[in-house]
Amino acid sequence: EAGVAQSPRYKIIEKRQSVAFWCNPISGHATLYWYQQILGQGPKLLIQFQNNGVVDDSQLPKDRFSAERLKGVDSTLKIQPAKLEDSAVYLCASSSHRGTSGGAGDTGELFFGEGSRLTVL
Amino acid sequence: AQSVAQPEDQVNVAEGNPLTVKCTYSVSGNPYLFWYVQYPNRGLQFLLKYITGDNLVKGSYGFEAEFNKSQTSFHLKKPSALVSDSALYFCAVRAPAENTGFQKLVFGTGTRLLVSP
Repeated sequence: EAGVAQSPRYKIIEKRQSVAFWCNPISGHATLYWYQQILGQGPKLLIQFQNNGVVDDSQLPKDRFSAERLKGVDSTLKIQPAKLEDSAVYLCASSSHRGTSGGAGDTGELFFGEGSRLTVL
Repeated sequence: AQSVAQPEDQVNVAEGNPLTVKCTYSVSGNPYLFWYVQYPNRGLQFLLKYITGDNLVKGSYGFEAEFNKSQTSFHLKKPSALVSDSALYFCAVRAPAENTGFQKLVFGTGTRLLVSP
């Protein structure tokens, strides 16, 4: 079974430029997550999709970050314009559970991609 | 709000010795707890989880974790450490997403494990 695919693995840009990251989740996984991991910190959820609908974007800086998951499969995360503090690893994850607590088949674990490392100069 | 705390930034242990990486949690209701490992320049890999049942949970690579409700802890353990276990370890808890019935994982700040030969 193929894992979560992300690209690019590395990106270096200057501040105020834009960047986009792509994620293809595990086939059949309804839930897709974008996490931001700043060096020395734990991953922080930016946005969560259930199929092609957003269920949580409370920590997404909406003035500069956007994400979409057209057709409920792959997803794109965009930053425009980038700031120095956006330097981080952007992790995409997917899961098969429907999001509700408990329930049969709700294993709860997330499967992560390798991440996209962004450096803003 | 649901949260986890990892009080140690780094744990050092000699190869062959037992290791413990600590995690405490704060949740309302029954906790769903997870451990993930991250190797350099890699994504997070699932190690184990506690949903319900036995307090001692066994996972990948010989790791196990003990759920202790009275101490609100979920410490990661391994009887005999390997140099290859050196990595960054994250504890996580399931938490409800904002204003919806959906769940998300909230991660701790991570603990770096260094196993010396």
